[in-house]
Amino acid sequence: KNQVEQSPQSLIILEGKNCTLQCNYTVSPFSNLRWYKQDTGRGPVSLTIMTFSENTKSNGRYTATLDADTKQSSLHITASQLSDSASYICVVRIGRKNAGNMLTFGGGTRLMVKP
Amino acid sequence: SQTIHQWPATLVQPVGSPLSLECTVEGTSNPNLYWYRQAAGRGLQLLFYSVGIGQISSEVPQNLSASRPQDRQFILSSKKLLLSDSGFYLCAWSVRTGWIYGYTFGSGTRLTVV
Repeated sequence: KNQVEQSPQSLIILEGKNCTLQCNYTVSPFSNLRWYKQDTGRGPVSLTIMTFSENTKSNGRYTATLDADTKQSSLHITASQLSDSASYICVVRIGRKNAGNMLTFGGGTRLMVKP
Repeated sequence: SQTIHQWPATLVQPVGSPLSLECTVEGTSNPNLYWYRQAAGRGLQLLFYSVGIGQISSEVPQNLSASRPQDRQFILSSKKLLLSDSGFYLCAWSVRTGWIYGYTFGSGTRLTVV
């Protein structure tokens, strides 16, 4: 069964600190892995998309890593800001050609950054 | 630019009433369109997807239906809402760019059935 598990479920950090969110998946065949940021009551917004051959990808203060052998990914946030408070969702796309249920979503990590 | 519009943002409906949520996209042609439902603390669940006008595929049996009357319009409907239909509904579209299918989500509709 295709699954995406994220940890921790929730996290509270102080402004300016770094944090790392984890994602483990059992999706096959693997196509790519995405990290989304979702503000409360809003739709998810893409942060990064990583393919099989990419190990690290950065987007500003966000750095995602992917280990396709162990099927693990992480999202590292550097120098956190209050605006980073949101849910972060790990999503894995299945490597098939049809347009159906291609995405498997993790349950998300709810991050709260406190001043 | 490519944008997606979803409305309303919030909706409170009585049990047994009809539902119509609308989603439109701009700046792209022939996108794949999706309706998802998100439960608190859980991953998004795909409800319907469409690869073209009038083409609807359902992922899970439910009290809802979807229609795509135009290329860039996707509608989620119900004839009679149930309490269990309450949730956060997200519309999304995807278009292939190179080797990657990019997915863009709407801002969501919070539906409360009372």
